[in-house]
Amino acid sequence: GAGVSQSPSNKVTEKGKDVELRCDPISGHTALYWYRQRLGQGLEFLIYFQGNSAPDKSGLPSDRFSAERTGESVSTLTIQRTQQEDSAVYLCASSLGVGNTIYFGEGSWLTVV
Amino acid sequence: KNEVEQSPQNLTAQEGEFITINCSYSVGISALHWLQQHPGGGIVSLFMLSSGKKKHGRLIATINIQEKHSSLHITASHPRDSAVYICAVPPYGGSQGNLIFGKGTKLSVKP
Repeated sequence: GAGVSQSPSNKVTEKGKDVELRCDPISGHTALYWYRQRLGQGLEFLIYFQGNSAPDKSGLPSDRFSAERTGESVSTLTIQRTQQEDSAVYLCASSLGVGNTIYFGEGSWLTVV
Repeated sequence: KNEVEQSPQNLTAQEGEFITINCSYSVGISALHWLQQHPGGGIVSLFMLSSGKKKHGRLIATINIQEKHSSLHITASHPRDSAVYICAVPPYGGSQGNLIFGKGTKLSVKP
């Protein structure tokens, strides 16, 4: 596609439910990144993929968070048993390779009530 | 761990003014990123640089590797430049795919 596409753009979920956030990177981009931004806070790195493997998942805040990528394309970020502190915008980005210019999606706004 | 400090936190300027935003980091890096976050939340990568200076339109980014410092300059500022500007660097000993972000500089350009 023309840019990084994320869905849903907005999600309101009840505490304790699981959510899945999807990211479609720019075609041909082998590197894919997930970041989080809580309201009024800075960006936080979560995980990145090179191809389908995740060399660095050090930013995932707990074992309730997981991510996968298939076909060197779409990635899914899953949050299990959501908590209120998970409320944030989750941003996906991609680049041709690690060390290249990063292109961001518009984000998925998650609200846990 | 690499520490990233940006200054100023907030900046208000009159249209046409020359703007400078600073970023300092604590550990040597391979490259530094400058990002722009629009009021609606969208993020655009402005520059990625590892040495010297880069220019794109009215934007100029410089980096001094020895001093661990980078600056983002905006010439002839315009209200549409109003945004949050963020610098980011890889963590010390971390992978290139990981980034540590500054808290951002909120710029408001008045007409």
